[in-house]
Amino acid sequence: DAGITQSPRHKVTETGTPVTLRCHQTENHRYMYWYRQDPGHGLRLIHYSYGVKDTDKGEVSDGYSVSRSKTEDFLLTLESATSSQTSVYFCAISETGQGAMYEQYFGPGTRLTVT
Amino acid sequence: AQKVTQAQTEISVVEKEDVTLDCVYETRDTTYYLFWYKQPPSGELVFLIRRNSFDEQNEISGRYSWNFQKSTSSFNFTITASQVVDSAVYFCALIIYNFNKFYFGSGTKLNVKP
Repeated sequence: DAGITQSPRHKVTETGTPVTLRCHQTENHRYMYWYRQDPGHGLRLIHYSYGVKDTDKGEVSDGYSVSRSKTEDFLLTLESATSSQTSVYFCAISETGQGAMYEQYFGPGTRLTVT
Repeated sequence: AQKVTQAQTEISVVEKEDVTLDCVYETRDTTYYLFWYKQPPSGELVFLIRRNSFDEQNEISGRYSWNFQKSTSSFNFTITASQVVDSAVYFCALIIYNFNKFYFGSGTKLNVKP
């Protein structure tokens, strides 16, 4: 199993409060991703990183920011949480090499509830 | 634009039946990769297979097989002699090489009844 951990695994927070989710990897993979999973939508990309301090937006990035100061850590921040951000958040990692794009490996997920 | 469509929202079968999960993708790029993932009720996402756009060979792994057809932009997944442990949500995904973004379908929930 790929070494990916997410913290916290569960969180309940109130509308308007800031929330930071952490993803930590031990695989030294270059790419890291944050997704949210909602019923009927599958997995939707929030932000991704292609190196330390290199990030880009995904399809549902509004209301979220990310930071990557070290290869192993990728943080997702909800500056002011809203009820629409209640979801399960997954972190993923992947690598490239030899002209190929390799599969993503996923963390265990974080269930976030915004009340 | 890239898109992955899994038209089957939910499928129910009885154990030992064969079942095919459909995946249709859209892209104008010629170099891309296709993936299947499994999400069992426990919630983790498990990688099953990766296929690049230049390799149309079908693949078989035990009870699992995959049929990649560029002519119809499809990458279908068949489970032979299904088992209760196959009950899960299955996702198809696409990535365009050099664009680093994965596009996931909305998933197909497979229920295998004993």
